[in-house]
Amino acid sequence: EAGVAQSPRYKIIEKRQSVAFWCNPISGHATLYWYQQILGQGPKLLIQFQNNGVVDDSQLPKDRFSAERLKGVDSTLKIQPAKLEDSAVYLCASSLSTGETQYFGPGTRLLVL
Amino acid sequence: SQKIEQNSEALNIQEGKTATLTCNYTNYSPAYLQWYRQDPGRGPVFLLLIRENEKEKRKERLKVTFDTTLKQSLFHITASQPADSATYLCALANQAGTALIFGKGTTLSVSS
Repeated sequence: EAGVAQSPRYKIIEKRQSVAFWCNPISGHATLYWYQQILGQGPKLLIQFQNNGVVDDSQLPKDRFSAERLKGVDSTLKIQPAKLEDSAVYLCASSLSTGETQYFGPGTRLLVL
Repeated sequence: SQKIEQNSEALNIQEGKTATLTCNYTNYSPAYLQWYRQDPGRGPVFLLLIRENEKEKRKERLKVTFDTTLKQSLFHITASQPADSATYLCALANQAGTALIFGKGTTLSVSS
């Protein structure tokens, strides 16, 4: 069974530029999560989808971050404009449904200069 | 708001010993708690889940306890091996039971 796929694996941008990350969850998983993990910290949930609807986006900085999951499968997370403090690893995870075991992708490491 | 503390940032032990990692939480009672392992440059990998009505869960050399009175979970790795060296994350279900809140993690180093 294929795992959660993410791309790109690494990205370096300058502040005020925009960036987008892509996630393909495990087939059949209804729930998709985006996390931000700053060095030395645990993952922090940014947004959670159930199929193509948003379950929780309370910690998403909506002035600069956006995410969509248009057909209830793949998802993209965008940052526009980026700030220095956005430097982190962005992890995507999926689960069969809410409250089930989460399976994580390898993450996208973002460096904002 | 919910607060999770993992006892230490780093734990160093010798091969063959038992590693014990601690996760403390405050302000609410989660329906379940999970432990994940994270290796450098990789995403977390699920290890064990324990529910609020369970005292202990085991899987091979791993054991998790959940004390809802103390608001604490202990994670044990018996007969530790250098391959067990990684960061271990404690994660609690949020109050709705729909998502996870992660601790900062404890980095375990097992020396041979």
